[in-house]
Amino acid sequence: GAVVSQHPSRVICKSGTSVKIECRSLDFQATTMFWYRQFPKQSLMLMATSNEGSKATYEQGVEKDKFLINHASLTLSTLTVTSAHPEDSSFYICSAREGQANYEQYFGPGTRLTVT
Amino acid sequence: AQKVTQAQTEISVVEKEDVTLDCVYETRDTTYYLFWYKQPPSGELVFLIRRNSFDEQNEISGRYSWNFQKSTSSFNFTITASQVVDSAVYFCALSEARNNAGNMLTFGGGTRLMVKP
Repeated sequence: GAVVSQHPSRVICKSGTSVKIECRSLDFQATTMFWYRQFPKQSLMLMATSNEGSKATYEQGVEKDKFLINHASLTLSTLTVTSAHPEDSSFYICSAREGQANYEQYFGPGTRLTVT
Repeated sequence: AQKVTQAQTEISVVEKEDVTLDCVYETRDTTYYLFWYKQPPSGELVFLIRRNSFDEQNEISGRYSWNFQKSTSSFNFTITASQVVDSAVYFCALSEARNNAGNMLTFGGGTRLMVKP
């Protein structure tokens, strides 16, 4: 149980285009989903927290207009990188939590984005 | 603010050696959770353990063991008789309640473990 999927696993796009990454909880309802970014040989940095049906809460320094997050259902959250640039190339990982009282986060396998 | 420090950025050992990965944390909460994750080259995070702040008992799971010391704010991870397959980046993480918006997970910088045959 507690499986989180991400699609696509890898994506290459040209500078200036937008890319959408999906995060799905397959066997539970995720009241909260988290998006992390990980640059090579660095740790995971939280980008934003999204609760189903409400606007995402972005961490300081993360541009909300560039990284659009939608959490329209209890099993799906999407991250759209708009007008991508090479510096946006990174490993993006989502996680999902079931219920407010649950400290456990289940992580997706990650999406490697390369912007050329 | 919460913070997790993994002072060892890289460790290299020879197979069958024991190795301890250090983790020191800072938090103002009295209730919190500590985690260890393994990240192999594939990138996917593998959950290893969760420990709550009220349970200071050490835990052993096969070749893995964890030592939680609240007095020193440390949650160290030991691999006994290391194997090549243990080569990965290991992250320590801390979760505390934050407002009512949910719990944020703060990761340490990670320790890259290389086990040589």
